[in-house]
Amino acid sequence: RKEVEQDPGPFNVPEGATVAFNCTYSNSASQSFFWYRQDCRKEPKLLMSVYSSGNEDGRFTAQLNRASQYISLLIRDSKLSDSATYLCATRGDTGRRALTFGSGTRLQVQP
Amino acid sequence: EAQVTQNPRYLITVTGKKLTVTCSQNMNHEYMSWYRQDPGLGLRQIYYSMNVEVTDKGDVPEGYKVSRKEKRNFPLILESPSPNQTSLYFCASSVSGGSEQFFGPGTRLTVL
Repeated sequence: RKEVEQDPGPFNVPEGATVAFNCTYSNSASQSFFWYRQDCRKEPKLLMSVYSSGNEDGRFTAQLNRASQYISLLIRDSKLSDSATYLCATRGDTGRRALTFGSGTRLQVQP
Repeated sequence: EAQVTQNPRYLITVTGKKLTVTCSQNMNHEYMSWYRQDPGLGLRQIYYSMNVEVTDKGDVPEGYKVSRKEKRNFPLILESPSPNQTSLYFCASSVSGGSEQFFGPGTRLTVL
């Protein structure tokens, strides 16, 4: 089983829709959690960190469910410019102290 | 401007011809890392460095070498590239291993 798993999609949604992605992680000792956005053939960029109590940044809401070992990203009022691949990342409790990334979920917002 | 730079951005080469991809960051970050990204496999860490002269293997180190002689630079070396190393490569830096990673623009490598 992969350490971090995401539904690859694509999620095709109309403009204005609300869409949610989940990301499951297998390491119960995982600590930091992040959502990254990656446009086609470009570098990933941090969208938001995920805090234990959940956090919101404009139209984006991130949640962490430690009991079920998943994080979620909710996008409200989708824009065409939200079309991208969304990668989740976690930091496990290893000496390497590296982030482990999921393969990403592709979102396509349609007019 | 805070950034991570990589060169070259695109490279087509032939099997066995040694190459180096450079990476430089201007944020005084301790931690630097190389990833490769392949369809369906996501980002996989090749090598990382926690500080100058400290490097270690990531998940997929075979066929790669790195060095960290200066804090800002972390070159990736392919001594004898093979076609299975055709991929999109990203360098990243961060304050520490588990904190936000800042990525370079990527290097698309094709090995014929």
